[in-house]
Amino acid sequence: GQNIDQPTEMTATEGAIVQINCTYQTSGFNGLFWYQQHAGEAPTFLSYNVLDGLEEKGRFSSFLSRSKGYSYLLLKELQMKDSASYLCAVRDEGRAAGNKLTFGGGTRVLVKP
Amino acid sequence: SQTIHQWPATLVQPVGSPLSLECTVEGTSNPNLYWYRQAAGRGLQLLFYSVGIGQISSEVPQNLSASRPQDRQFILSSKKLLLSDSGFYLCAFQRGGETQYFGPGTRLLVL
Repeated sequence: GQNIDQPTEMTATEGAIVQINCTYQTSGFNGLFWYQQHAGEAPTFLSYNVLDGLEEKGRFSSFLSRSKGYSYLLLKELQMKDSASYLCAVRDEGRAAGNKLTFGGGTRVLVKP
Repeated sequence: SQTIHQWPATLVQPVGSPLSLECTVEGTSNPNLYWYRQAAGRGLQLLFYSVGIGQISSEVPQNLSASRPQDRQFILSSKKLLLSDSGFYLCAFQRGGETQYFGPGTRLLVL
């Protein structure tokens, strides 16, 4: 079975940093993804980790520790437009099985002025 | 470039009526295709996926079905909608070992 946990909601101030944690227990591991989803819209891809370590993309960074089943998404220099839900997803199977993703429930981030 | 379309954008249907949602992908060939449902304030639940024409895998038992009549077309159907079928339906595609990209979604309200 698959189990992916992330906090339900977080609040932060404009210009600050927020870290969204994600822990997972899956039968296999073939990559971890972070998506951003604004209210009423489709998710958009943010980052992908398959090896341990930090991946940086501008104001967003994502970290992975496979041995701990743990990832975080770091949002720096928060802007009001960063208010959204952030979805953690694990790809637990390979191409032959459809490269399926299992999603966590999402973390709603509210950025306040 | 690759694009994905879904229609309709919004749908209000009575209980017991049929459903047909369509998803098409442009700019790629032989993609993996996925249907997800998202209940209000919740995460994404994978309903169906397809690795090729006519190949459908179901993840969750329900009164929905999916079909892939063409390489870049994925259809979600139901013969009789239930109240619990209300939600945000998202189609996604993936090519090779890359990321899944989502269409704009269809918001379905069953009354």
